[in-house]
Amino acid sequence: GQNIDQPTEMTATEGAIVQINCTYQTSGFNGLFWYQQHAGEAPTFLSYNVLDGLEEKGRFSSFLSRSKGYSYLLLKELQMKDSASYLCAVLDSNYQLIWGAGTKLIIKP
Amino acid sequence: IAGITQAPTSQILAAGRRMTLRCTQDMRHNAMYWYRQDLGLGLRLIHYSNTAGTTGKGEVPDGYSVSRANTDDFPLTLASAVPSQTSVYFCASSDSSSTGELFFGEGSRLTVL
Repeated sequence: GQNIDQPTEMTATEGAIVQINCTYQTSGFNGLFWYQQHAGEAPTFLSYNVLDGLEEKGRFSSFLSRSKGYSYLLLKELQMKDSASYLCAVLDSNYQLIWGAGTKLIIKP
Repeated sequence: IAGITQAPTSQILAAGRRMTLRCTQDMRHNAMYWYRQDLGLGLRLIHYSNTAGTTGKGEVPDGYSVSRANTDDFPLTLASAVPSQTSVYFCASSDSSSTGELFFGEGSRLTVL
Protein backbone atom coordinates (compact mmCIF):
# COMPACT_ATOMS: atom_id res chain seq x y z
CA GLY A 1 0.00 0.00 0.00
CA GLN A 2 0.93 3.65 -0.18
CA ASN A 3 2.07 5.35 2.97
CA ILE A 4 3.33 8.70 4.17
CA ASP A 5 4.79 9.06 7.65
CA GLN A 6 5.44 12.24 9.55
CA PRO A 7 5.59 12.97 13.29
CA THR A 8 2.27 13.75 14.92
CA GLU A 9 3.45 16.73 16.94
CA MET A 10 6.58 18.81 17.48
CA THR A 11 7.41 21.68 19.81
CA ALA A 12 9.96 24.42 19.15
CA THR A 13 10.96 27.80 20.55
CA GLU A 14 10.34 31.16 18.93
CA GLY A 15 13.41 32.26 16.98
CA ALA A 16 14.80 28.73 16.68
CA ILE A 17 15.00 26.28 13.75
CA VAL A 18 12.84 23.18 13.36
CA GLN A 19 12.98 20.30 10.86
CA ILE A 20 9.84 18.31 10.07
CA ASN A 21 10.55 14.95 8.45
CA CYS A 22 8.42 13.01 6.00
CA THR A 23 9.04 9.51 4.64
CA TYR A 24 7.00 7.98 1.89
CA GLN A 25 6.30 4.73 0.08
CA THR A 26 4.16 5.29 -2.99
CA SER A 27 3.40 3.79 -6.37
CA GLY A 28 5.63 6.00 -8.43
CA PHE A 29 6.63 9.59 -7.78
CA ASN A 30 5.74 12.82 -9.55
CA GLY A 31 6.60 15.31 -6.84
CA LEU A 32 6.42 16.01 -3.13
CA PHE A 33 4.44 18.87 -1.68
CA TRP A 34 4.31 20.63 1.67
CA TYR A 35 1.21 22.47 2.87
CA GLN A 36 0.59 24.62 5.92
CA GLN A 37 -2.73 24.45 7.73
CA HIS A 38 -3.60 26.78 10.61
CA ALA A 39 -6.20 25.48 13.04
CA GLY A 40 -9.70 25.81 11.64
CA GLU A 41 -8.45 26.96 8.24
CA ALA A 42 -7.79 25.49 4.82
CA PRO A 43 -4.41 24.03 3.80
CA THR A 44 -2.22 26.38 1.77
CA PHE A 45 0.61 25.36 -0.56
CA LEU A 46 4.15 25.92 0.74
CA SER A 47 6.62 24.09 -1.47
CA TYR A 48 7.20 21.55 -4.21
CA ASN A 49 10.18 19.22 -4.83
CA VAL A 50 10.53 16.89 -7.80
CA LEU A 51 14.33 16.65 -8.02
CA ASP A 52 16.75 15.75 -5.25
CA GLY A 53 18.09 18.63 -3.24
CA LEU A 54 17.08 21.69 -1.34
CA GLU A 55 14.51 24.28 -2.39
CA GLU A 56 14.67 27.51 -0.43
CA LYS A 57 11.86 30.02 -0.10
CA GLY A 58 12.51 32.69 2.49
CA ARG A 59 12.46 31.24 6.00
CA PHE A 60 11.20 27.90 4.68
CA SER A 61 13.25 25.25 2.85
CA SER A 62 12.28 21.80 1.65
CA PHE A 63 14.63 18.92 0.91
CA LEU A 64 14.07 15.76 -1.11
CA SER A 65 15.92 12.47 -1.48
CA ARG A 66 14.04 10.23 -3.91
CA SER A 67 16.35 7.24 -3.36
CA LYS A 68 15.59 7.33 0.37
CA GLY A 69 11.89 8.22 0.03
CA TYR A 70 12.54 11.13 2.36
CA SER A 71 11.84 14.82 2.62
CA TYR A 72 12.05 17.46 5.28
CA LEU A 73 10.67 20.93 5.76
CA LEU A 74 13.03 23.33 7.52
CA LEU A 75 11.63 26.42 9.21
CA LYS A 76 14.10 29.07 10.35
CA GLU A 77 13.68 32.04 12.69
CA LEU A 78 10.45 30.62 14.00
CA GLN A 79 7.61 33.00 14.67
CA MET A 80 4.48 32.44 16.72
CA LYS A 81 2.43 32.56 13.52
CA ASP A 82 4.24 29.42 12.32
CA SER A 83 2.20 27.42 14.82
CA ALA A 84 0.19 25.22 12.47
CA SER A 85 -0.03 21.74 11.04
CA TYR A 86 2.32 20.90 8.19
CA LEU A 87 1.09 18.35 5.66
CA CYS A 88 3.36 16.27 3.44
CA ALA A 89 1.86 14.91 0.21
CA VAL A 90 3.22 12.88 -2.71
CA LEU A 91 1.89 12.84 -6.26
CA ASP A 92 1.96 9.19 -7.31
CA SER A 93 2.29 7.60 -10.75
CA ASN A 94 -1.45 8.10 -11.40
CA TYR A 95 -1.16 11.78 -10.45
CA GLN A 96 -3.16 11.20 -7.30
CA LEU A 97 -2.06 13.08 -4.19
CA ILE A 98 -1.28 10.84 -1.22
CA TRP A 99 -1.42 12.78 2.06
CA GLY A 100 0.31 12.32 5.37
CA ALA A 101 -1.70 12.89 8.54
CA GLY A 102 0.18 16.12 9.24
CA THR A 103 2.58 17.37 11.91
CA LYS A 104 1.22 19.81 14.47
CA LEU A 105 3.94 22.35 15.25
CA ILE A 106 3.68 24.19 18.56
CA ILE A 107 5.82 27.30 18.98
CA LYS A 108 6.62 28.43 22.51
CA PRO A 109 7.84 31.93 23.42
CA ILE B 1 -10.86 38.13 -4.82
CA ALA B 2 -10.37 35.00 -6.90
CA GLY B 3 -10.62 31.69 -5.16
CA ILE B 4 -12.90 28.91 -4.05
CA THR B 5 -16.12 29.41 -2.15
CA GLN B 6 -17.78 26.68 -0.14
CA ALA B 7 -21.25 26.72 1.43
CA PRO B 8 -22.42 26.18 4.03
CA THR B 9 -19.46 26.76 6.36
CA SER B 10 -21.12 24.71 9.06
CA GLN B 11 -24.19 22.49 9.25
CA ILE B 12 -25.83 20.13 11.72
CA LEU B 13 -27.86 17.46 10.01
CA ALA B 14 -30.15 14.66 11.13
CA ALA B 15 -29.19 11.17 10.01
CA GLY B 16 -31.06 10.09 6.91
CA ARG B 17 -31.36 13.61 5.49
CA ARG B 18 -30.04 14.61 2.10
CA MET B 19 -27.40 17.34 1.99
CA THR B 20 -25.52 19.14 -0.77
CA LEU B 21 -22.28 20.99 -0.12
CA ARG B 22 -21.65 23.65 -2.70
CA CYS B 23 -18.30 24.61 -4.21
CA THR B 24 -17.59 27.33 -6.74
CA GLN B 25 -14.27 28.51 -8.13
CA ASP B 26 -13.52 31.50 -10.33
CA MET B 27 -9.96 30.65 -11.34
CA ARG B 28 -11.05 28.67 -14.44
CA HIS B 29 -9.23 25.63 -13.06
CA ASN B 30 -9.83 22.38 -14.91
CA ALA B 31 -9.53 19.98 -11.98
CA MET B 32 -11.60 19.98 -8.80
CA TYR B 33 -11.62 17.75 -5.75
CA TRP B 34 -13.58 16.95 -2.62
CA TYR B 35 -11.70 15.84 0.48
CA ARG B 36 -12.74 15.00 3.99
CA GLN B 37 -10.44 15.64 6.93
CA ASP B 38 -10.80 13.76 10.20
CA LEU B 39 -8.67 14.09 13.32
CA GLY B 40 -5.53 11.95 13.13
CA LEU B 41 -6.06 11.07 9.49
CA GLY B 42 -4.71 12.70 6.36
CA LEU B 43 -6.92 14.35 3.81
CA ARG B 44 -8.93 11.64 2.07
CA LEU B 45 -10.15 12.11 -1.47
CA ILE B 46 -13.88 11.50 -1.94
CA HIS B 47 -14.41 12.38 -5.61
CA TYR B 48 -12.60 14.36 -8.24
CA SER B 49 -13.16 15.89 -11.65
CA ASN B 50 -10.32 16.37 -14.13
CA THR B 51 -12.42 18.58 -16.38
CA ALA B 52 -16.01 19.74 -16.80
CA GLY B 53 -18.32 16.86 -17.66
CA THR B 54 -16.15 14.14 -16.07
CA THR B 55 -15.93 12.81 -12.53
CA GLY B 56 -14.07 10.01 -10.78
CA LYS B 57 -14.08 8.16 -7.49
CA GLY B 58 -11.44 8.77 -4.87
CA GLU B 59 -10.41 6.80 -1.83
CA VAL B 60 -13.71 7.09 0.12
CA PRO B 61 -16.58 7.63 -2.35
CA ASP B 62 -19.32 5.52 -0.74
CA GLY B 63 -22.35 7.55 0.34
CA TYR B 64 -21.32 10.58 -1.75
CA SER B 65 -22.02 11.75 -5.28
CA VAL B 66 -20.78 14.69 -7.37
CA SER B 67 -21.53 16.40 -10.63
CA ARG B 68 -19.51 18.78 -12.83
CA ALA B 69 -21.90 20.47 -15.21
CA ASN B 70 -19.53 23.39 -15.83
CA THR B 71 -16.00 24.51 -15.02
CA ASP B 72 -16.87 26.57 -11.97
CA ASP B 73 -19.18 24.39 -9.86
CA PHE B 74 -18.58 21.04 -8.18
CA PRO B 75 -21.31 20.17 -5.64
CA LEU B 76 -21.01 17.20 -3.28
CA THR B 77 -24.20 15.39 -2.27
CA LEU B 78 -24.81 13.08 0.66
CA ALA B 79 -27.92 11.14 -0.36
CA SER B 80 -28.76 9.87 3.13
CA ALA B 81 -26.39 11.19 5.80
CA VAL B 82 -24.95 8.89 8.47
CA PRO B 83 -23.02 9.84 11.64
CA SER B 84 -19.73 8.53 10.19
CA GLN B 85 -19.96 11.32 7.63
CA THR B 86 -19.39 13.87 10.39
CA SER B 87 -16.25 15.61 9.21
CA VAL B 88 -14.72 18.75 7.75
CA TYR B 89 -15.10 18.79 3.99
CA PHE B 90 -12.70 20.70 1.76
CA CYS B 91 -13.20 21.50 -1.88
CA ALA B 92 -10.04 22.18 -3.88
CA SER B 93 -9.03 22.99 -7.42
CA SER B 94 -5.92 22.96 -9.61
CA ASP B 95 -5.21 24.20 -13.09
CA SER B 96 -4.51 20.66 -14.25
CA SER B 97 -5.00 17.14 -12.93
CA SER B 98 -1.25 16.43 -13.11
CA THR B 99 -0.17 18.92 -10.46
CA GLY B 100 -0.19 18.64 -6.70
CA GLU B 101 -0.52 22.38 -6.15
CA LEU B 102 -4.09 22.70 -4.99
CA PHE B 103 -6.13 25.69 -3.92
CA PHE B 104 -8.55 24.94 -1.10
CA GLY B 105 -11.85 26.39 -0.03
CA GLU B 106 -12.34 27.33 3.60
CA GLY B 107 -14.09 24.07 4.44
CA SER B 108 -17.56 22.94 5.47
CA ARG B 109 -17.95 21.47 8.94
CA LEU B 110 -20.72 18.88 8.88
CA THR B 111 -22.16 17.16 11.95
CA VAL B 112 -24.58 14.27 11.44
CA LEU B 113 -26.62 13.32 14.49
